[in-house]
Amino acid sequence: AIQLTQSPSSLSASVGDRVTITCRASQGISSALAWYQHKPGKGPKLLIYEASSLKSGLPSRFSGSGYGTDFTLTISSLQPEDFATYYCQQFDSHPLTFGGGTKVEIK
Amino acid sequence: EVQLVESGGGLVQPGGSLRLSCAASGFTFDDYSMHWVRQVPGKGLDWVSLITWDSSKTSYADSVKGRFTISRDNRKKSLFLEMNSLRSEDTALYYCAKASGYDSFFENWGQGTLVTVSS
Repeated sequence: AIQLTQSPSSLSASVGDRVTITCRASQGISSALAWYQHKPGKGPKLLIYEASSLKSGLPSRFSGSGYGTDFTLTISSLQPEDFATYYCQQFDSHPLTFGGGTKVEIK
Repeated sequence: EVQLVESGGGLVQPGGSLRLSCAASGFTFDDYSMHWVRQVPGKGLDWVSLITWDSSKTSYADSVKGRFTISRDNRKKSLFLEMNSLRSEDTALYYCAKASGYDSFFENWGQGTLVTVSS
């Protein structure tokens, strides 16, 4: 199975900060990567698919980049509603796998 | 608006069985593959199983293979997960998720149903 390693596992940031989360795959997955935002008590929410495509209707402060084994999710200016846990997920091959998550907390 | 509502979770003893359901609305259910994903409390997300739009293909994580069975009823816009021989490590919040295909990301998720396996 393809392993996804996210870093950091948690971070503290202030409103307005630029935040970057990385996801490294154990083998090349071309652009078959998605990013999700997850808040307690709710189902995860798709943010980015195909590594860099922003889901329709979502704010442009979220962006994704990368190809092969190294990927990045960037929040250009953190907003109060962005405090959550973020997960990457590969869909290059089965079993579908997720990264361990990055918890973004208020500084 | 896409809605996915899971039900059927609860407390069950080790070795027991449980059947989860997911009611779908707001989209053409039989156009999409559907998945189950779980989250052990305090841990990350783990993919469990998928079924294609026409039930022609199913797939399972190794950890549940031979114990769990996924199915769907397109007329009733419902997804199911039959769970047998439950173990303590199956304790988790179970989400159903809508996907575009077999190897895909998850476009929409439900809010989950909690399964607790304990004596």
